[in-house]
Amino acid sequence: AQSVSQHNHHVILSEAASLELGCNYSYGGTVNLFWYVQYPGQHLQLLLKYFSGDPLVKGIKGFEAEFIKSKFSFNLRKPSVQWSDTAEYFCAVHGRSQGNLIFGKGTKLSVKP
Amino acid sequence: GAVVSQHPSWVICKSGTSVKIECRSLDFQATTMFWYRQFPKQSLMLMATSNEGSKATYEQGVEKDKFLINHASLTLSTLTVTSAHPEDSSFYICSATASIAGHTDTQYFGPGTRLTVL
Repeated sequence: AQSVSQHNHHVILSEAASLELGCNYSYGGTVNLFWYVQYPGQHLQLLLKYFSGDPLVKGIKGFEAEFIKSKFSFNLRKPSVQWSDTAEYFCAVHGRSQGNLIFGKGTKLSVKP
Repeated sequence: GAVVSQHPSWVICKSGTSVKIECRSLDFQATTMFWYRQFPKQSLMLMATSNEGSKATYEQGVEKDKFLINHASLTLSTLTVTSAHPEDSSFYICSATASIAGHTDTQYFGPGTRLTVL
């Protein structure tokens, strides 16, 4: 069965620190990969997505993610976080042959000013 | 663009009553709408998928007679929780995919509806 795991439940960083949030999935076929962000009190927003092509994907607000097929990973990165990046981040995977979007449990990021 | 709204944002009801939640795509036509449920500190769990004008497809373990989904137009889907009980209290989130090239595989999410059943 398709599944998504996010390694960290809660990450605490100081401003200007670099960020990497892990995401691994299990699925035998071709996938579409997403990172969504949920700021406090707000709804899920698409941060970036990968369907095909360059495995290094750039999203909004300076975020990027790299798809490493051999590792079944799609880690999210940002070189220098800001206090405004405090939010919960969800990795999601869509197996192209079966249609459901499966979410990881989310990683809460707290950035200290 | 690609804005999805939900109404109401929070509803409290008595046990045994029914509650209707609306999901609207405001600036695009949605080929497909999805309903999710999110428990505290847990991930989103897909409940059902609906296409305009056809019956919804429910995930295993989701009672279709309890969670009625109607997708009457390309911009509106409704979820009705019938005979609600306290265990139905949860955060219900809808999403939609746009019938626009390049966006058909991306889900855009509504803000969610918090249901509390007393």
